[in-house]
Amino acid sequence: SQTIHQWPATLVQPVGSPLSLECTVEGTSNPNLYWYRQAAGRGLQLLFYSVGIGQISSEVPQNLSASRPQDRQFILSSKKLLLSDSGFYLCAFAGTGDHSPLHFGNGTRLTVT
Amino acid sequence: GQNIDQPTEMTATEGAIVQINCTYQTSGFNGLFWYQQHAGEAPTFLSYNVLDGLEEKGRFSSFLSRSKGYSYLLLKELQMKDSASYLCAIMDSNYQLIWGAGTKLIIKP
Repeated sequence: SQTIHQWPATLVQPVGSPLSLECTVEGTSNPNLYWYRQAAGRGLQLLFYSVGIGQISSEVPQNLSASRPQDRQFILSSKKLLLSDSGFYLCAFAGTGDHSPLHFGNGTRLTVT
Repeated sequence: GQNIDQPTEMTATEGAIVQINCTYQTSGFNGLFWYQQHAGEAPTFLSYNVLDGLEEKGRFSSFLSRSKGYSYLLLKELQMKDSASYLCAIMDSNYQLIWGAGTKLIIKP
């Protein structure tokens, strides 16, 4: 079966520190991968998506970046966090087929202090 | 432009029925998804509609009218565990999801 793992679950980081969130998918090959952010009480904001290794599309210009070093690994990074980077970060993958629903990891709650 | 509207919050009684509406205007349409999200957790997939009509899955049903740009999620025999946010999302012509802000459903005993 297809599963997605995302870590850490919670993170408290000071302003200006770096960030690395990791997501891995099992049970599928060449999935479309996504990073979303959800501010408190708000909708989902697509940050990055990837259709293959090394292929990253950025939806929102900001101080975050994403990388896909392996087929089933997706990493969200920042060199210097801002207070506004606080939020709930969700990794997701789409199953095979154009109309496949997204399946989300458990999320990382990031608080920048 | 692209727009998805859902009520911000709804309240219903345990055992009752509730209908959560979603209206949309998007560039192209390749289907509509409903997700459930409990507080502090990730969204989980509930249903997918691409053709007009009603899709039933146990206590949950989802309806779509493409000509009206309208969908609803119907929850029957409400249980306390149904207290959550319900997200409507449209897959546009590029097969990307456009998300509504979600409807927070509060169930009272």
